[in-house]
Parts: sequence; C-alpha cells; structure tokens
Amino acid sequence: QVQLVESGGDMVQPGKSLRLSCAASGFAFRSYAMHWVRQAPHKGLEWVASTSYDGINTYSADSVKGRFTVSRDNSKNTLYLQMNSLRLEDTAVYYCARAVVPAAMFDYWGQGTLVTVSS
Amino acid sequence: DIQMTQSPSSLSASVGDTVTITCRASQRISSYLNWYQQKPGEAPKILIYEATSLQRGVPPRFSGSGFGTDFTLTISSLQPEDVAAYYCQQSYINFWTFGQGTKVEIK
Repeated sequence: QVQLVESGGDMVQPGKSLRLSCAASGFAFRSYAMHWVRQAPHKGLEWVASTSYDGINTYSADSVKGRFTVSRDNSKNTLYLQMNSLRLEDTAVYYCARAVVPAAMFDYWGQGTLVTVSS
Repeated sequence: DIQMTQSPSSLSASVGDTVTITCRASQRISSYLNWYQQKPGEAPKILIYEATSLQRGVPPRFSGSGFGTDFTLTISSLQPEDVAAYYCQQSYINFWTFGQGTKVEIK
C-alpha cells in the first residue's frame, strides 16, 4: 500500500536551517510529481513546493522562494525540503503528498511533521 | 497567483441535511478544481477531483459541480462522520492554491 512518512521536524531558532524528508513506499515513486503542503497551527492548508517526477522542474510558493528548496532522490524513494533562513511564520505541520496527473490532485498524504520556529 | 475564495468559513447543520460549500477562483481554471476533507488531527483526504469526479472509496453523498470560476461541493444527507474542514484547491497552474477552508459541524 502507498505510504508517505515525513521526518525531520524539530524546534529551531529563527534564521536556522532544517531539512525535512519524506520516505515513499508502495508505489513507483520515480513516476510521480511530489509536493509539500504546510498547515500553521489552527490555520488552513498552504502549498509550499513541488517537484516533477524526475526532479528537473521545481516550483515554490512566493512565501518560501529563495529560502526553501525541494529535491528528490529517486534511487532512495525520498523527497526532501531544505528549509533555510527559517522565520517564525514557517511554524507549521509539513505534509508531503503525491500528485496524480492530469488533475494534479493530491491522492496520498503523509501524516505530517511539525516544524516550530521559536526564539 | 490564482486566489481561491471559499464560503462560508463555517456552518452548522443537522444530520440528514444537504450542505453546500462554494469556491470561487480569481480567474478561470477550467475544471482544475479539487476538494479535500480534513478531520481533526488527520492529514487531508481527496474527495473530488477535476471539479466533478468522485475519488474511489468516497461515499456518493459527496458531489462536486462547476466550471471556470465557480464551484460547489455538496454533501447530501450530512452524517456525523462528515464533521471536518473542507478545502478547495486549484491545479490549473504550477502554483497550486487552496481556499481558506470551511468548517462543518453538526447542529
């Protein structure tokens, strides 16, 4: 069965860096675009970043552009989110999600990993 | 960026009622509109994709309609297990955006 398991969430100070991972299993990871979506405490969903199936095309929201980088290692079935220059407003649960074309709907989600940015 | 506006932000209805949530896009997005359900403490779950298609395993009391800029999620015969937040999402361009969400409660 399809499984997505995020890890790497932690409490960090503003300005620091963190790398999140999303381990995928149960499907052909190399064939799917993957996304990161976050949810601040008691707030709605915010799309963060995505990568094409081969990692060549990446996209990120304006709120994280220049600070966050999405990447993937298809040999390890793992998606990453490198988060630099973290801000208080980056505090959120971060989910990875698989996208299905052509609808680009997110059909499987991980359980999320909590990132807390606090001084 | 395409802005997605949902209404209402919350609603309370009785078991068995029909509930309607609307989502408006700031520009035309064809049928590239998806709906998600998120129960407290859980990850979101896809309900409807491409505006009208029901995801496998989702109860048929959920339905979607719309095209262009205006979309609707309908829950016919609301059940206690439908208490959740519902989000629309556009996938028309490579900068996906969600609506702000609608919380559904039982009266």
